[in-house]
Amino acid sequence: EVQLLESGGNLVQPGGSLRLSCAASGFTFSTFAMTWVRQAPGKGLEWVSGVSASGGSAYYADSVKGRFTISKDNSKNTLYLQMNNLRADDTAVYYCAKVAGSATTRGVDYWGQGTLVTVSS
Amino acid sequence: QTVVTQEPSFSVSPGGTVTLTCGLSSGSVSTSNYPSWYQQTPGQAPRTLIYSTYTRSSGVPDRFSGSILGNKAALTITGAQAEDESDYYCVLFMGGGISVFGGGTQLTVL
Repeated sequence: EVQLLESGGNLVQPGGSLRLSCAASGFTFSTFAMTWVRQAPGKGLEWVSGVSASGGSAYYADSVKGRFTISKDNSKNTLYLQMNNLRADDTAVYYCAKVAGSATTRGVDYWGQGTLVTVSS
Repeated sequence: QTVVTQEPSFSVSPGGTVTLTCGLSSGSVSTSNYPSWYQQTPGQAPRTLIYSTYTRSSGVPDRFSGSILGNKAALTITGAQAEDESDYYCVLFMGGGISVFGGGTQLTVL
């Protein structure tokens, strides 16, 4: 059974940093791309970032480019999202999701339960 | 900047058929956009229904199907049930590793 367990969400002040983690199990982590998707309170889903199966290629939405860094540790079956210079509009539930292929093209087939990031003073 | 478009809301009668669409503000959707569809009820994580245009995710009932209709991606629910009342989101691969979600469709079954 595929399981994705996010952690690291918290309350942080504007300009601060946070690192989200996603522990994966139930599939061969090293052969699938992964992605982060977020949802602000009362809003729709927003694609944030994706990484290839090897971790060698990373992609970002314009809204987070230059502030967020996605990484994938295939030895630990863990996905990360390093978030710097956080802003109030980064407040959202962040979902870790498994892509249905080795590249980020094919869409998500499994989702985690999400972790809440609140950016506020 | 290209926007992914979805109907804001839709309603269907129990047992009826409904087709939700996913388009682009500029251009046509094709299988190269690998359209995917997700269902979400309030307070819950999204659930994958369809990915890569046609592939039904594990455990998804066969009343859900994906296709390309004209210049849009489509999600068809055949024989809608009360439990299908949810928000539905599509996502399109836009190239360069980037994907973009539509704004979502709120489906009412009544």
